[in-house]
Amino acid sequence: TQLLEQSPQFLSIQEGENLTVYCNSSSVFSSLQWYRQEPGEGPVLLVTVVTGGEVKKLKRLTFQFGDARKDSSLHITAAQPGDTGLYLCAGPQGGSEKLVFGKGTKLTVNP
Amino acid sequence: SAVISQKPSRDICQRGTSLTIQCQVDSQVTMMFWYRQQPGQSLTLIATANQGSEATYESGFVIDKFPISRPNLTFSTLTVSNMSPEDSSIYLCSVVRGGRTEAFFGQGTRLTVV
Repeated sequence: TQLLEQSPQFLSIQEGENLTVYCNSSSVFSSLQWYRQEPGEGPVLLVTVVTGGEVKKLKRLTFQFGDARKDSSLHITAAQPGDTGLYLCAGPQGGSEKLVFGKGTKLTVNP
Repeated sequence: SAVISQKPSRDICQRGTSLTIQCQVDSQVTMMFWYRQQPGQSLTLIATANQGSEATYESGFVIDKFPISRPNLTFSTLTVSNMSPEDSSIYLCSVVRGGRTEAFFGQGTRLTVV
């Protein structure tokens, strides 16, 4: 069974600070996805990374896929209160369409 | 993308009763997935629902407790049977587009069992 370990589990920061969330596995994934979930809503896809070493930017969010395709990171620059939410990494299990999710990082950005 | 409507959005139920959750997708999809998200936790896959065949359940989940219907390519239901307080969770349905793995989710059903 492929597992995804996310860290940190909780993160509380002030507006304007930078942060990085990590997603690690001992298994190789064909791709990894990042989702954000706000209270009372389902997760919403932010990005998919596919190529080892790939870096994708989405405004103030930067996503990186490790060279070996076993890990990924999400970096947020100048965090804002609107970034508050649960961030989840996920990857397809064994080439199937089923996803395995990390435990999530609950981010709180205080004004 | 996909637009997924899930209902009810929340419910409070008595222990021993059952609740059926509905999931409607705005276009035809082959596979639909049902997840459970316990308070403060991540998502755990309950089962995969294919049209025209029985759902495939993950380890720890059984059909008698979580019966699933998939009558057509745009609709599915999940029933939580004989509920206990331990079933209090958010239940989410999800779809993927053919050949891809990115998932789209309904807004979830927040279930509280008292």
